[in-house]
Amino acid sequence: GAGVSQSPRYKVAKRGQDVALRCDPISGHVSLFWYQQALGQGPEFLTYFQNEAQLDKSGLPSDRFFAERPEGSVSTLKIQRTQQEDSAVYLCASSVNRGRETQYFGPGTRLLVL
Amino acid sequence: QQQVKQSPQSLIVQKGGISIINCAYENTAFDYFPWYQQFPGKGPALLIAIRPDVSEKKEGRFTISFNKSAKQFSLHIMDSQPGDSATYFCAAYSGGGADGLTFGKGTHLIIQP
Repeated sequence: GAGVSQSPRYKVAKRGQDVALRCDPISGHVSLFWYQQALGQGPEFLTYFQNEAQLDKSGLPSDRFFAERPEGSVSTLKIQRTQQEDSAVYLCASSVNRGRETQYFGPGTRLLVL
Repeated sequence: QQQVKQSPQSLIVQKGGISIINCAYENTAFDYFPWYQQFPGKGPALLIAIRPDVSEKKEGRFTISFNKSAKQFSLHIMDSQPGDSATYFCAAYSGGGADGLTFGKGTHLIIQP
């Protein structure tokens, strides 16, 4: 069966550009999470969706970060006016229900901002 | 503020040996403690998880030991194999807090043949 997929796998952006990162969760999974993983660090929580509702966006580092999941399946993380400090791997995870359930991670999108 | 502290940062173990990774937490609201394994270029994958009502959980060669009073938990990998070489993350979750997992900084484990 298909796992969580993310695209693109790699993205190079010039400082100031907008980027959009896509996540396709496991079919039927209610919950979707976005994490940011800096080099050599553990993932850090960004935001959480239950179906199409964004219930928690406490981890988004600034108002340049925006996420959506309009139909309760595919999600997009958008970063406006990218900065060098945005360079990281962006991981998407999905689970059947909420955080105590197993979260299945995608391979991530590695973003490099020059 | 780092809510989950993980050590060591890196670890080298001989094949067949025991690998031990430790984590400590401060937030007593945490009630679910998973360990994730991550290979280069891949996303983290759940290895084993424990809830605070038990002191130990074993799955194959992997064991979590949990000390609620000390707010510490550890991962033991018995009979470590070269294929276990990866980065390991402990994590914690609080149902009453943010909906995501709080991860430690990771341990880079190398198993020497």
